[in-house]
Amino acid sequence: DSGVTQTPKHLITATGQRVTLRCSPRSGDLSVYWYQQSLDQGLQFLIQYYNGEERAKGNILERFSAQQFPDLHSELNLSSLELGDSALYFCASSPTTRASYEQYFGPGTRLTVT
Amino acid sequence: GEDVEQSLFLSVREGDSSVINCTYTDSSSTYLYWYKQEPGAGLQLLTYIFSNMDMKQDQRLTVLLNKKDKHLSLRIADTQTGDSAIYFCAESIDDYKLSFGAGTTVTVRA
Repeated sequence: DSGVTQTPKHLITATGQRVTLRCSPRSGDLSVYWYQQSLDQGLQFLIQYYNGEERAKGNILERFSAQQFPDLHSELNLSSLELGDSALYFCASSPTTRASYEQYFGPGTRLTVT
Repeated sequence: GEDVEQSLFLSVREGDSSVINCTYTDSSSTYLYWYKQEPGAGLQLLTYIFSNMDMKQDQRLTVLLNKKDKHLSLRIADTQTGDSAIYFCAESIDDYKLSFGAGTTVTVRA
């Protein structure tokens, strides 16, 4: 158990809908990273937050957004969902802003768009 | 991750050593990582190596880094059935994100 929790574990929704994925980092970790794992794209970095502020953006679509709250949990919002958004979404946390530090991953949320 | 390449499959007999290879492209990567993903689970950090090291050993795991060739390998000694999983190589990019390979599926046969 990495100490990172993600909810829900599974999510099934229809195209065009909007969903919110939630992540709680390990106790004491200030950085949260979001990744998408799909069969065709592999594991892709989406976005990083540190202590409530956005620090870095990767291959995140404009339809997606994220935020980190004062209690350090983070939410990833996915809107106008398309079939191709079906994937595993992972959250990871680390104590610092630096990716060169160890990142610990949550169990993921499996999103299925029908 | 197009910057990190790994072979996709490895089959190994129980008790033998497994060697998983990876090549990366960003010579400025400060850390290189090996993650393990079991079916239906998240990624588990197995080990990592700082870029100025050649080798790191951690119990049954040995990481070798050839910085000149940008080649990273993970050796698992005495491979067990519990080692069956997907193994991802990753490099830190621009110090804010990890870039992953496609993963190597390791199957341990009795």
